[in-house]
Amino acid sequence: QKEVEQNSGPLSVPEGAIASLNCTYSDRGSQSFFWYRQYSGKSPELIMSIYSNGDKEDGRFTAQLNKASQYVSLLIRDSQPSDSATYLCAVNPVRSNDYKLSFGAGTTVTVRA
Amino acid sequence: EAQVTQNPRYLITVTGKKLTVTCSQNMNHEYMSWYRQDPGLGLRQIYYSMNVEVTDKGDVPEGYKVSRKEKRNFPLILESPSPNQTSLYFCASSPGQGSGYTFGSGTRLTVV
Repeated sequence: QKEVEQNSGPLSVPEGAIASLNCTYSDRGSQSFFWYRQYSGKSPELIMSIYSNGDKEDGRFTAQLNKASQYVSLLIRDSQPSDSATYLCAVNPVRSNDYKLSFGAGTTVTVRA
Repeated sequence: EAQVTQNPRYLITVTGKKLTVTCSQNMNHEYMSWYRQDPGLGLRQIYYSMNVEVTDKGDVPEGYKVSRKEKRNFPLILESPSPNQTSLYFCASSPGQGSGYTFGSGTRLTVV
């Protein structure tokens, strides 16, 4: 079983819609969760971090964490063409080893104008 | 500007010819790491370092070496590159405490 799994996509949404991205992880002891955005040919860029159960909002982005279900998601509201990118879910598998960061394979999002 | 700097950006080499990819960060971060990214496999951690002179293997360390003699630098060494090491490589650094990594611009390596 992979440490971090994402729905593979690609995900195509119309401009202005909500894009919903999902991620599950295998290590129940994980404490820190991140979403990165990667444009084609560029490096990953951290856009959201979440540590506690519930929702965390930052502008048009909302991260949701459910540790009991080992599930983390990212919602992108009012999607814009500039949101077209690959979104990577990342998890610190063990609390004390936060230099070990495991990534999912990514979900590619295309926002249609 | 706070950043992670990798060099070179592109590298084509031949099988067996030793090479080094340099990485430097100016944020005084404790942690540094190397990842490779391959289509369909995502980002996989090669090595990481928790501090000067402290390094450990990630998920795919075979064929790679690293060193951390100074806090800011974390070079990746391929002693005898092989074609299966053709990939996009990223260096990253983090202050720890669950802050996540900041990535460099990447090095696209081709081994022929």
